[in-house]
Amino acid sequence: AQSVTQLGSHVSVSEGALVLLRCNYSSSVPPYLFWYVQYPNQGLQLLLKYTSAATLVKGINGFEAEFKKSETSFHLTKPSAHMSDAAEYFCAVRPGNSGGYQKVTFGTGTKLQVIP
Amino acid sequence: NAGVTQTPKFQVLKTGQSMTLQCAQDMNHNSMYWYRQDPGMGLRLIYYSASEGTTDKGEVPNGYNVSRLNKREFSLRLESAAPSQTSVYFCASSEQGQGSHEQYFGPGTRLTVT
Repeated sequence: AQSVTQLGSHVSVSEGALVLLRCNYSSSVPPYLFWYVQYPNQGLQLLLKYTSAATLVKGINGFEAEFKKSETSFHLTKPSAHMSDAAEYFCAVRPGNSGGYQKVTFGTGTKLQVIP
Repeated sequence: NAGVTQTPKFQVLKTGQSMTLQCAQDMNHNSMYWYRQDPGMGLRLIYYSASEGTTDKGEVPNGYNVSRLNKREFSLRLESAAPSQTSVYFCASSEQGQGSHEQYFGPGTRLTVT
C-alpha cells in the first residue's frame, strides 16, 4: 500500500521568497517519487522525479526536491519565487524496482500563490 | 509530436445523456489512463490500460466504460451522465515495465452535467 500527504492545500509566498511545498509518502517498497505542476486550465507536467540515483533532484524552472528516507519526505523547494510559479503542485508515488503496471498515487495538491 | 491529445475540451450534458471522451497519444506508450480531478481530491484513477488489449478498473470506475481502440487511442464513455460526474477529465500515457516511467497528461476535458 502507498499514500501521499501534501501539507497545506494553499501556500502563499512573496515574489523572491523561498518556496517550500511539503510532501510525505508511505510505501512498502522503495518508491519512485514525482512532482508535477499544473498551470490554470492545463494538464499536469513533470517537474522532477526521484529514481534512487541521487537524493537531491533538480527539475525544471529552478525547482529541486530532496528525498529523505528517514523522514519519508520529498519536499519541493525553489530559492526565489517568481510570479510565473503560481500553479498547483502535485506530489506522486509509485512502487520502484518492479515491472508491469504499478499504480501511481497522487497527493491532493498544493496551490501556490505568489504575491508581488 | 503532439503528445497526448483529448477531445472535446469542454462539454455540457443533461442528466441521462451519453458521450465519449477521446484520447490519443503519439509517443508509442504501452499504458494509458483516465483520471478525474475534483477540487481538494487530487487525481483519481477511473480506468487504465496497461497495454493494448487490456483494461482494468481504477479507484472510481462506476458509471464509466473504456475502450482501448489500438495502441494510440483510449476512449472513456459515460453511458448515462449524472451531476456527480461533473469534473475535469485527464487522459495520460506512460511507458511500462522497469524504470521510473512518468505519466504524460493531455490538456483535459471540462465536463458539466446539469
